[in-house]
Amino acid sequence: ETGVTQTPRHLVMGMTNKKSLKCEQHLGHNAMYWYKQSAKKPLELMFVYSLEERVENNSVPSRFSPECPNSSHLFLHLHTLQPEDSALYLCASSQDSKRSAYNEQFFGPGTRLTVL
Amino acid sequence: AQTVTQSQPEMSVQEAETVTLSCTYDTSESDYYLFWYKQPPSRQMILVIRQEAYKQQNATENRFSVNFQKAAKSFSLKISDSQLGDAAMYFCAYRRGFGGSQGNLIFGKGTKLSVKP
Repeated sequence: ETGVTQTPRHLVMGMTNKKSLKCEQHLGHNAMYWYKQSAKKPLELMFVYSLEERVENNSVPSRFSPECPNSSHLFLHLHTLQPEDSALYLCASSQDSKRSAYNEQFFGPGTRLTVL
Repeated sequence: AQTVTQSQPEMSVQEAETVTLSCTYDTSESDYYLFWYKQPPSRQMILVIRQEAYKQQNATENRFSVNFQKAAKSFSLKISDSQLGDAAMYFCAYRRGFGGSQGNLIFGKGTKLSVKP
């Protein structure tokens, strides 16, 4: 595997289910991101793990819970979601440094989530 | 707060012709980076071109070039000799100067580009 991979590619779940999205990066990066892509809206950054700090968008509901056990893996745990949470969830990674003037983000193919 | 605006939800271009996608942004920062990302129907987002705000010279990558107007806070993408494979959603994005939590990308809503054969 190369680049950034995401599983599953498609997920359909009910509002009472608990599921997890997985992201893995094979690029040796030290930062990982979760984005939500809804129709006709800008990509919304949900969570960042970068330089050992976690940053979250305060508008993200608590029914989304990230986990980053190491620099190569990132999870997004989902529970009691709502239909409006249906979207494409994109994972990205980058090589980040407080001294670096530039860090390109590499994206995974996304997980298409449908909440019934 | 920084914002990125793409005023063209959809654009169309004839194969082999040139098209320009618009992007404006708002920031009070002096040190930042601008990007154009392409998202084909397969959904894998890829970087097309980037521009450092401190550089006056416009970035170019083969058939892709930008017109960066810092004072006007404008960052348009020009695609020359358009090809069928250029059909995709194009996102303009902004990032502050350095990494860590300051390095987060802010995206525009995107422009859907269609290429006619």
